Amino acid sequence: QKEVEQDPGPLSVPEGAIVSLNCTYSNSAFQYFMWYRQYSRKGPELLMYTYSSGNKEDGRFTAQVDKSSKYISLFIRDSQPSDSATYLCAMPGAGSYQLTFGKGTKLSVIP
Amino acid sequence: DVKVTQSSRYLVKRTGEKVFLECVQDMDHENMFWYRQDPGLGLRLIYFSYDVKMKEKGDIPEGYSVSREKKERFSLILESASTNQTSMYLCASSSPVALREQYFGPGTRLTVT
Repeated sequence: QKEVEQDPGPLSVPEGAIVSLNCTYSNSAFQYFMWYRQYSRKGPELLMYTYSSGNKEDGRFTAQVDKSSKYISLFIRDSQPSDSATYLCAMPGAGSYQLTFGKGTKLSVIP
Repeated sequence: DVKVTQSSRYLVKRTGEKVFLECVQDMDHENMFWYRQDPGLGLRLIYFSYDVKMKEKGDIPEGYSVSREKKERFSLILESASTNQTSMYLCASSSPVALREQYFGPGTRLTVT
Protein backbone atom coordinates (compact mmCIF):
# COMPACT_ATOMS: atom_id res chain seq x y z
CA GLN A 1 0.00 0.00 0.00
CA LYS A 2 1.34 3.39 -0.94
CA GLU A 3 1.88 5.87 1.84
CA VAL A 4 -0.35 8.51 0.26
CA GLU A 5 -3.07 7.97 -2.33
CA GLN A 6 -4.92 10.70 -4.16
CA ASP A 7 -7.46 10.44 -6.95
CA PRO A 8 -5.86 12.16 -9.97
CA GLY A 9 -9.19 13.26 -11.45
CA PRO A 10 -9.58 15.29 -13.54
CA LEU A 11 -12.43 16.92 -11.70
CA SER A 12 -14.61 19.43 -13.52
CA VAL A 13 -17.21 21.50 -11.67
CA PRO A 14 -19.35 24.56 -12.46
CA GLU A 15 -18.48 27.89 -10.90
CA GLY A 16 -19.97 28.23 -7.43
CA ALA A 17 -19.92 24.51 -6.66
CA ILE A 18 -18.51 23.02 -3.49
CA VAL A 19 -15.42 20.95 -4.27
CA SER A 20 -14.14 18.07 -2.19
CA LEU A 21 -10.58 16.85 -2.70
CA ASN A 22 -9.32 13.84 -0.78
CA CYS A 23 -6.27 11.81 0.17
CA THR A 24 -5.84 8.62 2.11
CA TYR A 25 -2.68 7.72 3.97
CA SER A 26 -1.32 4.59 5.57
CA ASN A 27 1.03 5.81 8.30
CA SER A 28 -0.88 6.53 11.48
CA ALA A 29 2.17 8.38 12.84
CA PHE A 30 1.60 11.35 10.53
CA GLN A 31 0.88 14.36 12.69
CA TYR A 32 0.12 17.12 10.25
CA PHE A 33 -0.98 17.49 6.70
CA MET A 34 -0.53 20.03 3.98
CA TRP A 35 -2.29 21.01 0.82
CA TYR A 36 -0.41 22.50 -2.08
CA ARG A 37 -1.89 24.19 -5.12
CA GLN A 38 -0.10 24.09 -8.45
CA TYR A 39 -1.16 26.24 -11.37
CA SER A 40 -0.29 25.10 -14.86
CA ARG A 41 3.43 25.52 -15.65
CA LYS A 42 4.18 26.76 -12.15
CA GLY A 43 5.71 25.23 -9.03
CA PRO A 44 3.45 24.06 -6.18
CA GLU A 45 2.66 26.59 -3.46
CA LEU A 46 1.56 25.83 0.07
CA LEU A 47 -2.17 26.50 0.41
CA MET A 48 -2.78 25.44 3.98
CA TYR A 49 -1.87 22.91 6.60
CA THR A 50 -3.67 21.24 9.46
CA TYR A 51 -2.71 19.13 12.41
CA SER A 52 -4.19 15.71 12.92
CA SER A 53 -6.21 16.96 15.86
CA GLY A 54 -8.66 19.14 14.02
CA ASN A 55 -9.95 21.07 11.07
CA LYS A 56 -8.86 24.39 9.72
CA GLU A 57 -10.69 27.03 7.76
CA ASP A 58 -9.15 29.76 5.66
CA GLY A 59 -11.60 31.82 3.67
CA ARG A 60 -13.29 29.56 1.15
CA PHE A 61 -10.98 26.64 1.97
CA THR A 62 -11.43 24.08 4.74
CA ALA A 63 -9.02 21.26 5.53
CA GLN A 64 -10.32 18.28 7.48
CA VAL A 65 -8.60 15.27 8.98
CA ASP A 66 -10.25 11.96 9.90
CA LYS A 67 -7.56 10.09 11.79
CA SER A 68 -9.65 6.99 12.35
CA SER A 69 -10.07 6.52 8.62
CA LYS A 70 -6.67 7.95 7.70
CA TYR A 71 -8.45 10.30 5.34
CA ILE A 72 -7.92 14.00 4.71
CA SER A 73 -10.06 16.40 2.72
CA LEU A 74 -9.86 19.86 1.27
CA PHE A 75 -13.17 21.61 0.66
CA ILE A 76 -13.49 24.65 -1.56
CA ARG A 77 -16.69 26.65 -1.19
CA ASP A 78 -18.07 28.90 -3.91
CA SER A 79 -15.44 27.64 -6.33
CA GLN A 80 -14.03 30.13 -8.84
CA PRO A 81 -12.35 29.68 -12.22
CA SER A 82 -9.17 30.94 -10.53
CA ASP A 83 -9.26 27.79 -8.37
CA SER A 84 -8.53 25.71 -11.47
CA ALA A 85 -5.25 24.00 -10.63
CA THR A 86 -3.78 20.73 -9.46
CA TYR A 87 -4.07 20.16 -5.72
CA LEU A 88 -1.53 17.98 -3.96
CA CYS A 89 -1.72 16.68 -0.42
CA ALA A 90 1.53 16.25 1.51
CA MET A 91 2.63 14.90 4.84
CA PRO A 92 5.94 14.29 6.59
CA GLY A 93 7.83 11.46 4.94
CA ALA A 94 10.03 8.73 6.25
CA GLY A 95 13.12 10.85 6.80
CA SER A 96 13.53 13.89 8.98
CA TYR A 97 13.50 16.29 6.08
CA GLN A 98 11.11 14.97 3.54
CA LEU A 99 7.48 15.35 2.62
CA THR A 100 5.49 12.60 0.95
CA PHE A 101 3.22 13.99 -1.74
CA GLY A 102 0.07 12.64 -3.29
CA LYS A 103 0.06 12.59 -7.07
CA GLY A 104 -2.35 15.51 -7.23
CA THR A 105 -5.94 16.06 -8.36
CA LYS A 106 -6.49 18.30 -11.37
CA LEU A 107 -9.47 20.59 -10.85
CA SER A 108 -11.21 22.69 -13.48
CA VAL A 109 -13.88 25.20 -12.47
CA ILE A 110 -16.02 26.07 -15.45
CA PRO A 111 -17.49 29.62 -15.63
CA ASP B 1 8.48 35.96 1.17
CA VAL B 2 10.58 32.95 0.39
CA LYS B 3 11.92 33.04 -3.11
CA VAL B 4 13.26 30.04 -4.93
CA THR B 5 14.58 30.68 -8.41
CA GLN B 6 15.66 28.26 -11.09
CA SER B 7 18.12 29.10 -13.80
CA SER B 8 15.89 28.30 -16.79
CA ARG B 9 12.17 27.92 -17.42
CA TYR B 10 12.62 25.92 -20.61
CA LEU B 11 15.63 23.96 -21.79
CA VAL B 12 16.23 21.77 -24.85
CA LYS B 13 19.26 19.50 -24.88
CA ARG B 14 20.54 16.67 -27.04
CA THR B 15 21.01 13.09 -25.93
CA GLY B 16 24.39 12.60 -24.28
CA GLU B 17 24.88 16.23 -23.28
CA LYS B 18 25.81 17.17 -19.74
CA VAL B 19 23.06 19.35 -18.28
CA PHE B 20 23.21 21.67 -15.30
CA LEU B 21 20.09 22.91 -13.56
CA GLU B 22 20.63 25.52 -10.89
CA CYS B 23 18.48 26.56 -8.00
CA VAL B 24 18.92 29.48 -5.60
CA GLN B 25 16.92 30.28 -2.47
CA ASP B 26 17.06 33.50 -0.49
CA MET B 27 15.70 32.42 2.92
CA ASP B 28 18.77 30.80 4.41
CA HIS B 29 17.06 27.40 4.40
CA GLU B 30 19.15 24.40 5.36
CA ASN B 31 17.23 21.88 3.27
CA MET B 32 17.01 21.84 -0.49
CA PHE B 33 15.40 19.32 -2.81
CA TRP B 34 15.24 18.34 -6.45
CA TYR B 35 12.13 16.65 -7.83
CA ARG B 36 10.94 15.66 -11.22
CA GLN B 37 7.25 15.76 -12.05
CA ASP B 38 5.68 13.62 -14.75
CA PRO B 39 2.00 13.11 -15.67
CA GLY B 40 0.51 10.25 -13.70
CA LEU B 41 3.62 9.83 -11.56
CA GLY B 42 3.44 12.95 -9.43
CA LEU B 43 6.46 14.46 -7.72
CA ARG B 44 9.40 12.13 -7.33
CA LEU B 45 12.37 13.06 -5.19
CA ILE B 46 15.72 12.83 -6.95
CA TYR B 47 18.12 14.16 -4.32
CA PHE B 48 18.03 16.37 -1.30
CA SER B 49 20.59 18.20 0.79
CA TYR B 50 20.32 19.12 4.46
CA ASP B 51 23.53 21.13 4.65
CA VAL B 52 26.35 22.48 2.53
CA LYS B 53 28.25 19.65 0.85
CA MET B 54 25.78 17.10 2.28
CA LYS B 55 23.45 15.16 0.03
CA GLU B 56 21.13 12.20 0.22
CA LYS B 57 19.64 10.12 -2.55
CA GLY B 58 15.93 10.30 -3.03
CA ASP B 59 13.71 7.79 -4.78
CA ILE B 60 15.13 8.10 -8.30
CA PRO B 61 18.79 9.22 -8.20
CA GLU B 62 20.01 7.15 -11.14
CA GLY B 63 21.43 9.27 -13.92
CA TYR B 64 21.63 12.38 -11.74
CA SER B 65 24.13 13.98 -9.41
CA VAL B 66 23.98 17.12 -7.28
CA SER B 67 26.26 19.77 -5.90
CA ARG B 68 25.82 22.10 -2.98
CA GLU B 69 28.87 24.30 -2.44
CA LYS B 70 26.96 27.20 -0.89
CA LYS B 71 23.94 27.17 1.37
CA GLU B 72 21.73 29.10 -1.04
CA ARG B 73 22.56 27.15 -4.18
CA PHE B 74 21.75 23.56 -5.15
CA SER B 75 22.60 22.22 -8.58
CA LEU B 76 21.24 19.18 -10.36
CA ILE B 77 23.48 17.58 -12.95
CA LEU B 78 22.47 15.17 -15.67
CA GLU B 79 25.76 13.51 -16.54
CA SER B 80 24.62 12.24 -19.93
CA ALA B 81 21.10 13.34 -20.79
CA SER B 82 18.71 10.74 -22.15
CA THR B 83 15.25 11.10 -23.65
CA ASN B 84 13.65 9.50 -20.58
CA GLN B 85 14.90 12.46 -18.57
CA THR B 86 12.55 14.77 -20.41
CA SER B 87 10.46 16.16 -17.59
CA MET B 88 9.56 19.11 -15.40
CA TYR B 89 12.24 19.63 -12.75
CA LEU B 90 11.30 21.38 -9.54
CA CYS B 91 13.59 22.69 -6.86
CA ALA B 92 12.38 23.30 -3.31
CA SER B 93 13.77 24.48 0.00
CA SER B 94 12.65 24.20 3.61
CA SER B 95 13.70 25.00 7.13
CA PRO B 96 14.08 22.06 9.53
CA VAL B 97 12.64 24.07 12.42
CA ALA B 98 9.37 24.88 10.68
CA LEU B 99 6.65 22.45 9.67
CA ARG B 100 8.89 21.23 6.93
CA GLU B 101 6.74 23.02 4.44
CA GLN B 102 8.65 23.21 1.21
CA TYR B 103 8.84 26.26 -0.99
CA PHE B 104 9.11 25.53 -4.68
CA GLY B 105 10.71 27.27 -7.60
CA PRO B 106 8.85 27.80 -10.89
CA GLY B 107 10.27 24.67 -12.47
CA THR B 108 12.42 23.92 -15.50
CA ARG B 109 10.81 22.12 -18.41
CA LEU B 110 13.64 20.04 -19.87
CA THR B 111 13.31 18.37 -23.23
CA VAL B 112 16.00 15.93 -24.34
CA THR B 113 15.98 15.14 -28.05
